[in-house]
Amino acid sequence: AQSVTQLDSQVPVFEEAPVELRCNYSSSVSVYLFWYVQYPNQGLQLLLKYLSGSTLVESINGFEAEFNRSQTSFHLRKPSVHISDTAEYFCAVKTNSGGSNYKLTFGKGTLLTVNP
Amino acid sequence: SQTIHQWPATLVQPVGSPLSLECTVEGTSNPNLYWYRQAAGRGLQLLFYSVGIGQISSEVPQNLSASRPQDRQFILSSKKLLLSDSGFYLCAWSVQGAETQYFGPGTRLLVL
Repeated sequence: AQSVTQLDSQVPVFEEAPVELRCNYSSSVSVYLFWYVQYPNQGLQLLLKYLSGSTLVESINGFEAEFNRSQTSFHLRKPSVHISDTAEYFCAVKTNSGGSNYKLTFGKGTLLTVNP
Repeated sequence: SQTIHQWPATLVQPVGSPLSLECTVEGTSNPNLYWYRQAAGRGLQLLFYSVGIGQISSEVPQNLSASRPQDRQFILSSKKLLLSDSGFYLCAWSVQGAETQYFGPGTRLLVL
């Protein structure tokens, strides 16, 4: 079975500072990886995903994540954050085992707080 | 484009009362549908998923049940709520055979 570890439950940063939210996963088979963002009292929005191909994936709002197979990581980064980036971020993994595996396994989330 | 709706947005129910949460998807056919529960500090837990009308798979034993009476409708139910059922319930959908799941706005349930 797969698992996801988000190493930081809370990350406070100042506006315009860089940020990295860490995500490590464990799986015996190849995986698909996702980052979702959740604003207060809202559902989850897909931020970016790695399915195949280039290991560096980007979102439209300046976030990027790099799939590192050897370190089993998928850390999320942004070079300069805005107040509006304050939200909870969830890393998720889905195994690429075919068949009827529909399960997304989520980390416990990282609350990013951007201060002025 | 596809949209996913959940209602109610917020619900306060006494212990022992019944529950019915509804999720509908628009703009797609034959989606996979999912119910997740989010408890504070614990991430999201998959409760049920469905690959078609009347086809429900349960991921964890509990006093909740799910039904899919129509292609794009997914219902989460309980006959008698427990305090531990409190949480944020999220419905999600995906295209059959595709990897990405898309989430609804959620229902916040408080059982008192």
